[in-house]
Amino acid sequence: GDSVTQMEGPVTLSEEAFLTINCTYTATGYPSLFWYVQYPGEGLQLLLKATKADDKGSNKGFEATYRKETTSFHLEKGSVQVSDSAVYFCALIPQMDTGRRALTFGSGTRLQVQP
Amino acid sequence: DTEVTQTPKHLVMGMTNKKSLKCEQHMGHRAMYWYKQKAKKPPELMFVYSYEKLSINESVPSRFSPECPNSSLLNLHLHALQPEDSALYLCASSQFRGGQTNYGYTFGSGTRLTVV
Repeated sequence: GDSVTQMEGPVTLSEEAFLTINCTYTATGYPSLFWYVQYPGEGLQLLLKATKADDKGSNKGFEATYRKETTSFHLEKGSVQVSDSAVYFCALIPQMDTGRRALTFGSGTRLQVQP
Repeated sequence: DTEVTQTPKHLVMGMTNKKSLKCEQHMGHRAMYWYKQKAKKPPELMFVYSYEKLSINESVPSRFSPECPNSSLLNLHLHALQPEDSALYLCASSQFRGGQTNYGYTFGSGTRLTVV
């Protein structure tokens, strides 16, 4: 079945450090890929998405590129801020969705940014 | 309006109580979802409604009963819950395009449920 694997957390960085959170997936064809962010005590917010190979999603300084050859969708940010502290979820929707139309999530990666 | 609104934000209920969670969106999305999220875990799918009809039930116990009275509203009726049902319950909606849902979901902020 389809699955998403994320790097274990927590990831602890100093402010202005470079961030990478790794995400790889298993799915047939070309799934749509997403990054969601969850701040403490809140629901999930869509951070960025990519729907075909080599697409780059970007938002709020975060970027991720859909790499079909490595089945990856790594999240990056050049300079993190304390306000970026949150849990980040990588997720996919299969290309050949049989009506389930449901997101498959990775386990989540907690990011802690220290001043 | 680009939001999914969930009420209440917090709910404490006893194991013999009956309560309902409510979810509302006015984005014209025709797919709506209930997810359950335990602490430090990703959300788990419970139910999917497509065009106001239940299309997916992920083997959820019958003490959880979903309802979609119209295209903007989604309810989750709760009865005889157990303490292990305590979690964050998230509602979400999405749009279809050509039969594919590849535009992502919009999630509500959730209802934090505690069963005592």
